[in-house]
Amino acid sequence: NAGVMQNPRHLVRRRGQEARLRCSPMKGHSHVYWYRQLPEEGLKFMVYLQKENIIDESGMPKERFSAEFPKEGPSILRIQQVVRGDSAAYFCASSPVGGSGTDEQFFGPGTRLTVL
Amino acid sequence: GQSLEQPSEVTAVEGAIVQINCTYQTSGFYGLSWYQQHDGGAPTFLSYNALDGLEETGRFSSFLSRSDSYGYLLLQELQMKDSASYFCAVRTGGFKTIFGAGTRLFVKA
Repeated sequence: NAGVMQNPRHLVRRRGQEARLRCSPMKGHSHVYWYRQLPEEGLKFMVYLQKENIIDESGMPKERFSAEFPKEGPSILRIQQVVRGDSAAYFCASSPVGGSGTDEQFFGPGTRLTVL
Repeated sequence: GQSLEQPSEVTAVEGAIVQINCTYQTSGFYGLSWYQQHDGGAPTFLSYNALDGLEETGRFSSFLSRSDSYGYLLLQELQMKDSASYFCAVRTGGFKTIFGAGTRLFVKA
């Protein structure tokens, strides 16, 4: 059973470009979370999605950031017109339908975004 | 606001016991989780407490006191491979989880 997959693992963009980060949850998981982590800091919740629905996007900046989890295919976190402050590691996590009982979230390896 | 407080850094020797504390102040509380993260790696789940008391999983134990808004992670028989960052996290409601800033554990020989 493959774990959570994220790609690309590393992404370099110039200021003003778009960054598109992909996340495929574990098989059987329909809940996806996106987090941002700056060096030496904790994970900051960005958004929680279920298939075709954004459930909670309270942690996501109102401008330039968007997320989706279509019926088919991976979840996408999209950052438009990137700025240097967007440089961070972006982690995706998934959990099964109805939660895991233990609240466990399964994390992907992350995408390290560098904005030049 | 919502916050989780944990020490930024802890150092211990191989074979010892270390306790990492976490106090939280959140608008809702469903449970306290602990995650381990090695440098450059992904967070991995260690434990979860929804009710008061101690949960034991091998060398790791986790404790929760809801009345004190406090929990801790206890690591026994420390090994060099335990050197990592440890995060406490609170499910505040729905499916939103707030993470602490992390405690960096250094295990010395």
